[in-house]
Amino acid sequence: QITLKESGPTLVKPTETLTLTCTFSGFSLSTSGVAVGWLRQSPGKALEWLSLIFWNGEEHYSPSLTSRLTIIKDTSKNQVVLTMTNMDPVDTATYYCARRFDYGGGWKFDFWGQGTLVTVSS
Amino acid sequence: DIQMTQSPSTLSASVGDRVTITCRASQDIRTSLAWFQQKPGKPPKLLIYKASILESGVPSRFSGSGSGTEFTVSISSLQPDDFATYYCQQYSTYPLTFGGGTKVEIK
Repeated sequence: QITLKESGPTLVKPTETLTLTCTFSGFSLSTSGVAVGWLRQSPGKALEWLSLIFWNGEEHYSPSLTSRLTIIKDTSKNQVVLTMTNMDPVDTATYYCARRFDYGGGWKFDFWGQGTLVTVSS
Repeated sequence: DIQMTQSPSTLSASVGDRVTITCRASQDIRTSLAWFQQKPGKPPKLLIYKASILESGVPSRFSGSGSGTEFTVSISSLQPDDFATYYCQQYSTYPLTFGGGTKVEIK
């Protein structure tokens, strides 16, 4: 059974750094082709992709946020950590992690965590 | 960035109706497109990938089609459980991008 779960603070102050952890089970991030991504959704808005890290350490970031984001993986703990610096109220959103799975000729975000709501406010 | 435009933004329909949602990409993405269903307070659920392949466990009343820049997802006979918001997502090129969503509501 594949599960992912996001954890981290529910409230951060403007200018602070947000650290979110995705803890997963049922798959390994050392398996070729597997990746874990972070996405977010502001209240009432559409989904936004943030970052992705692959089994081999390859990283990708949203160009609009690349200067503020860092993604790392701890394969032994089955965790992926996202840090976002200089938080602003516009970053208030539900943050999701999801598994990226290769199906041969492409890939899909097939399993998602339940999400964690992060509010940015002083 | 590839822009994904969904239409309509809201769709009012009745149980049993056939509904179709359109997603247009700002450039050719071949068939690198997925559709998700999302209900309030829940994460997105993958329905379709590679434009037309139904994810395991998804009811056969859902279908997807298209390639290049124009894609559709259809529900052949709308069920009460289908009232939700639907998003398309392209994975042809980074950054990965989503459509703005289509809310399917009860007429």
